[in-house]
Amino acid sequence: GAGVSQSPSNKVTEKGKDVELRCDPISGHTALYWYRQSLGQGLEFLIYFQGNSAPDKSGLPSDRFSAERTGGSVSTLTIQRTQQEDSAVYLCASSLGTSSYEQYFGPGTRLTVT
Amino acid sequence: GQQVMQIPQYQHVQEGEDFTTYCNSSTTLSNIQWYKQRPGGHPVFLIQLVKSGEVKKQKRLTFQFGEAKKNSSLHITATQTTDVGTYFCAGGGTGNQFYFGTGTSLTVIP
Repeated sequence: GAGVSQSPSNKVTEKGKDVELRCDPISGHTALYWYRQSLGQGLEFLIYFQGNSAPDKSGLPSDRFSAERTGGSVSTLTIQRTQQEDSAVYLCASSLGTSSYEQYFGPGTRLTVT
Repeated sequence: GQQVMQIPQYQHVQEGEDFTTYCNSSTTLSNIQWYKQRPGGHPVFLIQLVKSGEVKKQKRLTFQFGEAKKNSSLHITATQTTDVGTYFCAGGGTGNQFYFGTGTSLTVIP
């Protein structure tokens, strides 16, 4: 079946604008993760959704970042009042359940804030 | 907070040489996963280790999980150009998070 998809693949925005990044997980996967990867760096955990439970938002770097997951499927990561340091690749991953399952990553959204 | 460190950050090897990357956590992990990210690509799952002292092999790749479940290693025997990429470990914590290591970028010189 289809893998994890993300849109847009690339986004260039001006500093101060809001952006929305979308993730479509694999059907049936209850867990969904958002990560941020700066150039040549590792993956920084942002937020985790599991089923209908309250999301784990402990990785969000500031209150400008928020995410929601509607109907236990599609997720949207919103960054308000973007800053240049927000420039990175934003990766979404889904898995069958908790941390005992492998994560399937989407291709990512490359965000550039000018 | 929990940290997962990997060494080395970069490794250049001649094709045919062996390669090892090490992953160390400041706290005990519930499990550890390894991922490979090709240049320009996204991380792809390789394997998961759960038991203390566990060793798993995939062809030329050997994965180990330490007895204390705080460290892990990935060893590649006789590297090939197809092994090029960045290898990440990801440790499962007490919650549902995964703590990704800083990654080791492998370059294989033909």
